[in-house]
Amino acid sequence: GAVVSQHPSWVICKSGTSVKIECRSLDFQATTMFWYRQFPKQSLMLMATSNEGSKATYEQGVEKDKFLINHASLTLSTLTVTSAHPEDSSFYICSATGRNREPQHFGDGTRLSIL
Amino acid sequence: DAKTTQPPSMDCAEGRAANLPCNHSTISGNEYVYWYRQIHSQGPQYIIHGLKNNETNEMASLIITEDRKSSTLILPHATLRDTAVYYCIVRYIGNQAGTALIFGKGTTLSVSS
Repeated sequence: GAVVSQHPSWVICKSGTSVKIECRSLDFQATTMFWYRQFPKQSLMLMATSNEGSKATYEQGVEKDKFLINHASLTLSTLTVTSAHPEDSSFYICSATGRNREPQHFGDGTRLSIL
Repeated sequence: DAKTTQPPSMDCAEGRAANLPCNHSTISGNEYVYWYRQIHSQGPQYIIHGLKNNETNEMASLIITEDRKSSTLILPHATLRDTAVYYCIVRYIGNQAGTALIFGKGTTLSVSS
């Protein structure tokens, strides 16, 4: 079955640094990737939708200058949390889908802790 | 996409069938019912989806009522590893790929021995 890989799975950073998270589709071409954030004991919240070769579409309330998304190829999307602060600490999860590739598959998530 | 309503939690004994209900009374004719689950600290895992016919795969069965206003996910022989949060999501597949899955609060299923 389709596999989506996220890296890193866990990262701890100092406040003010930028962190890049990668999401890769391993066996299919992901025309669309989605980024979610999940706080403890809450459900997944959609942050943005990323189509290959175009700018990401952000959900209301998500700062596009804070969370930079790049989807430069059909197998890779990256989420960069710029100037991260403790309130950005969360579980970040990506999913990917492609042409004639239902259902969507999810990565295993990246746990980000900002000290 | 139509909204879904699920019970916040359910318990099930190991080896028994787990029947997880979902109400989606405002579902439209071109919206599918999806089920995903999330085991603690992992990404969601796809289980099954359907439009109006009942569906079965190696993981579970999906029973959709004739009026499509509700559905039930059935895990025929629950194990401890099935303990997870189960999400029922209604989603329109119009352009085959581009719409996100919107997650509600789901049902926390606890399987005990």
